[in-house]
Amino acid sequence: GAVVSQHPSRVICKSGTSVKIECRSLDFQATTMFWYRQFPKQSLMLMATSNEGSKATYEQGVEKDKFLINHASLTLSTLTVTSAHPEDSSFYICSASSPGLAEETQYFGPGTRLLVL
Amino acid sequence: GDSVTQMEGPVTLSEEAFLTINCTYTATGYPSLFWYVQYPGEGLQLLLKATKADDKGSNKGFEATYRKETTSFHLEKGSVQVSDSAVYFCALSEDDKIIFGKGTRLHILP
Repeated sequence: GAVVSQHPSRVICKSGTSVKIECRSLDFQATTMFWYRQFPKQSLMLMATSNEGSKATYEQGVEKDKFLINHASLTLSTLTVTSAHPEDSSFYICSASSPGLAEETQYFGPGTRLLVL
Repeated sequence: GDSVTQMEGPVTLSEEAFLTINCTYTATGYPSLFWYVQYPGEGLQLLLKATKADDKGSNKGFEATYRKETTSFHLEKGSVQVSDSAVYFCALSEDDKIIFGKGTRLHILP
Protein backbone atom coordinates (compact mmCIF):
# COMPACT_ATOMS: atom_id res chain seq x y z
CA GLY A 1 0.00 0.00 0.00
CA ALA A 2 0.90 3.66 -0.24
CA VAL A 3 3.52 4.79 2.26
CA VAL A 4 4.03 8.23 3.77
CA SER A 5 7.07 9.04 5.85
CA GLN A 6 7.86 11.92 8.15
CA HIS A 7 11.21 13.20 9.31
CA PRO A 8 12.23 13.69 12.00
CA SER A 9 10.08 11.46 14.18
CA ARG A 10 11.04 13.45 17.25
CA VAL A 11 12.72 16.82 17.70
CA ILE A 12 13.67 18.92 20.70
CA CYS A 13 14.59 22.54 20.14
CA LYS A 14 15.16 25.75 22.04
CA SER A 15 12.58 28.49 22.15
CA GLY A 16 13.07 30.96 19.31
CA THR A 17 14.54 28.52 16.82
CA SER A 18 12.86 27.20 13.69
CA VAL A 19 12.12 23.56 13.00
CA LYS A 20 11.41 21.92 9.66
CA ILE A 21 9.35 18.75 9.36
CA GLU A 22 9.31 16.78 6.13
CA CYS A 23 6.47 14.69 4.78
CA ARG A 24 7.22 12.35 1.88
CA SER A 25 5.08 10.05 -0.21
CA LEU A 26 7.41 7.16 -0.91
CA ASP A 27 5.70 5.22 -3.66
CA PHE A 28 3.13 7.55 -5.14
CA GLN A 29 2.74 11.12 -6.25
CA ALA A 30 0.76 13.15 -3.77
CA THR A 31 -1.14 16.01 -5.36
CA THR A 32 -2.55 17.03 -2.01
CA MET A 33 -1.02 16.90 1.45
CA PHE A 34 -2.64 17.78 4.74
CA TRP A 35 -0.95 18.91 7.94
CA TYR A 36 -2.54 18.21 11.31
CA ARG A 37 -1.73 18.94 14.91
CA GLN A 38 -2.60 16.64 17.77
CA PHE A 39 -3.00 17.72 21.38
CA PRO A 40 -2.94 15.14 24.17
CA LYS A 41 -6.06 12.99 24.03
CA GLN A 42 -7.80 15.61 21.93
CA SER A 43 -9.11 15.37 18.42
CA LEU A 44 -6.87 16.08 15.50
CA MET A 45 -6.79 19.65 14.23
CA LEU A 46 -6.36 20.34 10.55
CA MET A 47 -3.83 23.11 10.08
CA ALA A 48 -3.58 23.45 6.34
CA THR A 49 -4.06 21.82 2.97
CA SER A 50 -1.31 22.03 0.41
CA ASN A 51 -1.49 21.29 -3.27
CA GLU A 52 1.67 20.77 -5.27
CA GLY A 53 2.90 23.96 -6.85
CA SER A 54 0.47 26.31 -5.17
CA LYS A 55 0.14 28.12 -1.86
CA ALA A 56 -1.23 26.23 1.09
CA THR A 57 -4.74 26.88 2.34
CA TYR A 58 -4.70 27.49 6.08
CA GLU A 59 -7.54 26.79 8.47
CA GLN A 60 -8.97 29.62 10.46
CA GLY A 61 -6.84 30.49 13.46
CA VAL A 62 -3.64 28.98 12.08
CA GLU A 63 -0.89 31.55 11.61
CA LYS A 64 0.54 31.08 8.14
CA ASP A 65 3.62 33.17 8.94
CA LYS A 66 4.40 30.91 11.85
CA PHE A 67 3.65 27.58 10.21
CA LEU A 68 5.21 27.77 6.77
CA ILE A 69 4.16 25.04 4.39
CA ASN A 70 5.89 24.26 1.13
CA HIS A 71 4.73 21.59 -1.30
CA ALA A 72 7.47 21.92 -3.87
CA SER A 73 7.17 18.52 -5.49
CA LEU A 74 4.68 15.71 -5.85
CA THR A 75 6.47 13.67 -3.20
CA LEU A 76 7.50 16.23 -0.60
CA SER A 77 5.80 18.77 1.61
CA THR A 78 7.51 20.59 4.47
CA LEU A 79 6.15 22.30 7.55
CA THR A 80 8.44 24.85 9.18
CA VAL A 81 7.58 26.05 12.65
CA THR A 82 9.23 29.45 12.84
CA SER A 83 10.40 31.02 16.09
CA ALA A 84 9.07 28.06 18.04
CA HIS A 85 7.72 28.52 21.55
CA PRO A 86 6.83 25.97 24.22
CA GLU A 87 3.15 26.20 23.31
CA ASP A 88 4.04 24.88 19.84
CA SER A 89 5.05 21.59 21.43
CA SER A 90 2.76 19.01 19.95
CA PHE A 91 2.46 15.99 17.70
CA TYR A 92 2.35 16.95 14.03
CA ILE A 93 1.06 14.50 11.46
CA CYS A 94 0.77 14.75 7.72
CA SER A 95 -1.30 12.85 5.24
CA ALA A 96 -1.19 12.60 1.49
CA SER A 97 -3.67 11.79 -1.19
CA SER A 98 -3.65 11.31 -4.90
CA PRO A 99 -6.38 10.83 -7.48
CA GLY A 100 -4.38 7.92 -8.84
CA LEU A 101 -4.85 5.89 -5.70
CA ALA A 102 -7.89 4.36 -4.06
CA GLU A 103 -10.28 7.15 -4.75
CA GLU A 104 -9.31 10.14 -2.67
CA THR A 105 -8.36 8.30 0.48
CA GLN A 106 -5.62 9.67 2.68
CA TYR A 107 -2.45 7.96 3.81
CA PHE A 108 -0.96 9.12 7.08
CA GLY A 109 2.61 9.62 8.09
CA PRO A 110 3.79 8.30 11.47
CA GLY A 111 3.93 11.78 12.96
CA THR A 112 6.58 14.06 14.44
CA ARG A 113 6.73 14.90 18.11
CA LEU A 114 8.02 18.43 18.69
CA LEU A 115 9.18 19.58 22.10
CA VAL A 116 10.17 23.22 22.48
CA LEU A 117 12.14 24.03 25.61
CA GLY B 1 2.76 -1.10 20.09
CA ASP B 2 -0.62 0.52 19.79
CA SER B 3 -2.61 -0.15 16.65
CA VAL B 4 -6.03 0.25 15.06
CA THR B 5 -7.67 -2.25 12.74
CA GLN B 6 -10.81 -1.44 10.83
CA MET B 7 -12.76 -3.34 8.24
CA GLU B 8 -11.60 -2.93 4.70
CA GLY B 9 -13.82 -1.36 2.15
CA PRO B 10 -15.34 -0.38 0.03
CA VAL B 11 -18.67 -0.83 1.72
CA THR B 12 -21.65 -0.28 -0.57
CA LEU B 13 -25.16 0.09 0.84
CA SER B 14 -28.51 1.31 -0.33
CA GLU B 15 -30.00 4.44 1.16
CA GLU B 16 -31.75 3.85 4.51
CA ALA B 17 -29.77 0.67 5.18
CA PHE B 18 -28.15 -0.04 8.56
CA LEU B 19 -24.43 0.62 8.73
CA THR B 20 -21.72 -0.99 10.83
CA ILE B 21 -18.03 -0.35 10.34
CA ASN B 22 -15.94 -2.47 12.66
CA CYS B 23 -12.93 -1.09 14.51
CA THR B 24 -10.73 -2.84 17.05
CA TYR B 25 -7.64 -1.54 18.76
CA THR B 26 -4.66 -2.57 20.82
CA ALA B 27 -3.25 -0.22 23.40
CA THR B 28 -1.10 -0.41 26.48
CA GLY B 29 -3.05 2.14 28.45
CA TYR B 30 -6.43 3.84 28.30
CA PRO B 31 -6.68 5.69 25.01
CA SER B 32 -9.31 8.03 23.72
CA LEU B 33 -11.06 6.68 20.64
CA PHE B 34 -12.26 8.62 17.62
CA TRP B 35 -14.05 8.29 14.35
CA TYR B 36 -13.10 10.76 11.64
CA VAL B 37 -14.75 11.29 8.27
CA GLN B 38 -13.18 12.50 5.07
CA TYR B 39 -15.33 13.88 2.28
CA PRO B 40 -13.83 14.09 -1.22
CA GLY B 41 -11.16 16.74 -1.50
CA GLU B 42 -11.37 17.76 2.15
CA GLY B 43 -9.33 17.19 5.29
CA LEU B 44 -10.47 14.98 8.10
CA GLN B 45 -13.36 16.02 10.28
CA LEU B 46 -14.02 14.65 13.73
CA LEU B 47 -17.23 12.66 13.67
CA LEU B 48 -17.40 11.46 17.26
CA LYS B 49 -15.21 10.42 20.15
CA ALA B 50 -15.20 8.56 23.45
CA THR B 51 -12.66 9.01 26.19
CA LYS B 52 -13.33 6.11 28.56
CA ALA B 53 -14.83 2.66 28.72
CA ASP B 54 -18.59 2.41 28.10
CA ASP B 55 -18.77 5.97 26.80
CA LYS B 56 -20.92 6.37 23.71
CA GLY B 57 -19.99 8.98 21.14
CA SER B 58 -22.70 10.19 18.79
CA ASN B 59 -23.11 12.75 16.04
CA LYS B 60 -25.22 13.15 12.89
CA GLY B 61 -26.99 9.85 13.60
CA PHE B 62 -23.72 7.93 13.96
CA GLU B 63 -22.86 6.16 17.21
CA ALA B 64 -19.94 4.21 18.61
CA THR B 65 -19.46 2.72 22.08
CA TYR B 66 -16.07 2.31 23.74
CA ARG B 67 -15.93 -1.40 24.62
CA LYS B 68 -12.88 -2.14 26.70
CA GLU B 69 -13.69 -5.82 27.14
CA THR B 70 -13.66 -6.40 23.39
CA THR B 71 -11.26 -3.51 22.58
CA SER B 72 -13.70 -2.29 19.99
CA PHE B 73 -15.26 0.98 18.84
CA HIS B 74 -17.62 -0.01 16.03
CA LEU B 75 -19.35 2.76 14.10
CA GLU B 76 -23.09 2.38 13.51
CA LYS B 77 -25.90 4.31 11.87
CA GLY B 78 -29.47 3.18 11.64
CA SER B 79 -30.37 4.69 8.28
CA VAL B 80 -27.67 5.94 5.96
CA GLN B 81 -28.04 8.66 3.35
CA VAL B 82 -26.29 9.30 0.07
CA SER B 83 -24.55 12.25 1.72
CA ASP B 84 -22.84 9.82 4.13
CA SER B 85 -20.66 8.55 1.27
CA ALA B 86 -17.12 9.23 2.43
CA VAL B 87 -14.05 7.58 3.92
CA TYR B 88 -14.23 6.81 7.64
CA PHE B 89 -11.16 6.50 9.86
CA CYS B 90 -11.04 4.96 13.30
CA ALA B 91 -8.28 6.31 15.54
CA LEU B 92 -6.91 6.14 19.03
CA SER B 93 -4.90 8.64 21.01
CA GLU B 94 -2.71 7.99 23.99
CA ASP B 95 -0.85 10.97 25.39
CA ASP B 96 -0.25 13.23 22.43
CA LYS B 97 0.10 10.68 19.65
CA ILE B 98 -2.68 9.59 17.34
CA ILE B 99 -2.84 6.34 15.42
CA PHE B 100 -5.22 5.79 12.55
CA GLY B 101 -6.79 2.78 10.97
CA LYS B 102 -6.47 2.49 7.21
CA GLY B 103 -9.89 3.91 6.49
CA THR B 104 -13.11 2.41 5.13
CA ARG B 105 -14.69 3.82 2.02
CA LEU B 106 -18.48 3.95 2.17
CA HIS B 107 -20.66 4.22 -0.93
CA ILE B 108 -24.37 4.86 -0.46
CA LEU B 109 -26.58 4.21 -3.48
CA PRO B 110 -29.81 6.17 -3.95
